[in-house]
Amino acid sequence: NAGVTQTPKFQVLKTGQSMTLQCAQDMNHEYMSWYRQDPGMGLRLIHYSVGAGITDQGEVPNGYNVSRSTTEDFPLRLLSAAPSQTSVYFCASSRGSTKSYYGYTFGSGTRLTVV
Amino acid sequence: EDQVTQSPEALRLQEGESSSLNCSYTVSGLRGLFWYRQDPGKGPEFLFTLYSAGEEKEKERLKATLTKKESFLHITAPKPEDSATYLCAVQAPRAGRRALTFGSGTRLQVQP
Repeated sequence: NAGVTQTPKFQVLKTGQSMTLQCAQDMNHEYMSWYRQDPGMGLRLIHYSVGAGITDQGEVPNGYNVSRSTTEDFPLRLLSAAPSQTSVYFCASSRGSTKSYYGYTFGSGTRLTVV
Repeated sequence: EDQVTQSPEALRLQEGESSSLNCSYTVSGLRGLFWYRQDPGKGPEFLFTLYSAGEEKEKERLKATLTKKESFLHITAPKPEDSATYLCAVQAPRAGRRALTFGSGTRLQVQP
């Protein structure tokens, strides 16, 4: 009964480094998304996917890349880390695509610090 | 642009002291309004979905209501374990996107 699993839980990067945040779900959910959470700003959508092979940009996509080769995995890549990307990152998934809403299941988050 | 404003930012209650959290929204074509609970260091946990004005949903000590401009999360006789941040979010049609627009949350502390 894993749900949505995110790794790592904590990460410190130097400016300019790249890395991949991992997200995996075992519920056969079609829809997956990445959000970042910053103090006083709420959760903001970075990228999302409505199924394997299909991705699209959210509200704050710059500096991030995604791919969805399988239903289960949706990794988020930081291309060249910047201090402005210091945040807590959440992956979320849900059943269905655009026609109905079942409620998101969130992972426990990755706390990223860029120095 | 969709906007969600939650108030108050923080609320401290005594155990058993009922209160309400507010979520005001501006969105074109609301498809749904959602409440989540978030504990420190964890991801948000889904509570309710409301679809139309006048709708109400309940879960234990929580009751969510919806009007055309706002939603309330009523907490009846809260317990210390109800302490958390409560997030409100709205969904509006966006060319196939199912993205949610979140408010910044109300941080609730219930003291014994």
